[in-house]
Amino acid sequence: SSELTQDPAVSVALGQTVRITCQGDSLRSFYASWYQQKPGQAPILVIYGKNNRPSGIPDRFSGSSSGNTASLTITGAQAEDEADYYCNSRDRSGNHRVVFGTGTKVTVL
Amino acid sequence: EVQLVESGGGLVQPGGSLRLSCAASGFTFSSYDMHWVRQATGKGLEWVSAIGTAGDTYYPGSVKGRFTISRENGKNSLYLQMNSLRAGDTAVYYCARVASGASYYFDYWGQGTLVAVSS
Repeated sequence: SSELTQDPAVSVALGQTVRITCQGDSLRSFYASWYQQKPGQAPILVIYGKNNRPSGIPDRFSGSSSGNTASLTITGAQAEDEADYYCNSRDRSGNHRVVFGTGTKVTVL
Repeated sequence: EVQLVESGGGLVQPGGSLRLSCAASGFTFSSYDMHWVRQATGKGLEWVSAIGTAGDTYYPGSVKGRFTISRENGKNSLYLQMNSLRAGDTAVYYCARVASGASYYFDYWGQGTLVAVSS
């Protein structure tokens, strides 16, 4: 099965920019999607496809990809962006198998 | 409004069984692939199972042979039958909908139901 690796934690000053990366072989074939999760809450989708945001997600969230690495960038981080972030993609086997990243805790200072 | 509501969680002894349900509303349930994803306390998200619109099913090695995903389109419901439960299966279990379209991602999640496996 595939694996997606993320840095365990990053911090960012209020209003500054932070990039979270996700590495894995499956990302050479499939786009990553990104989910934000706050304590005690279900994950919510923030980025999908090449670089798409669902309705209601601020435009300070953006995504990119190169080779086996996908990135989520928060430009002008706000206090409410402090959360865990997970990447996700289809498994290398395709069909409906998926894999999640190990998660990154984002702290806004 | 799309809604996914899980139920059926609880405390079960090791080796026991439990059946989770996910009630879907606000969309044509039969047209969407569905998944179960779990999260142990303080840990990351872990994929548990998937079912396609044609009823095809998929599992990771950690639950294959013990868990069975199913759907009942007439009742707009998704299920997860969990047998031979272990302490390591303790987690919040979420059902999630796969968005329609070319990209594969989860556009809606339920709030989760807690499963605790302990003697």
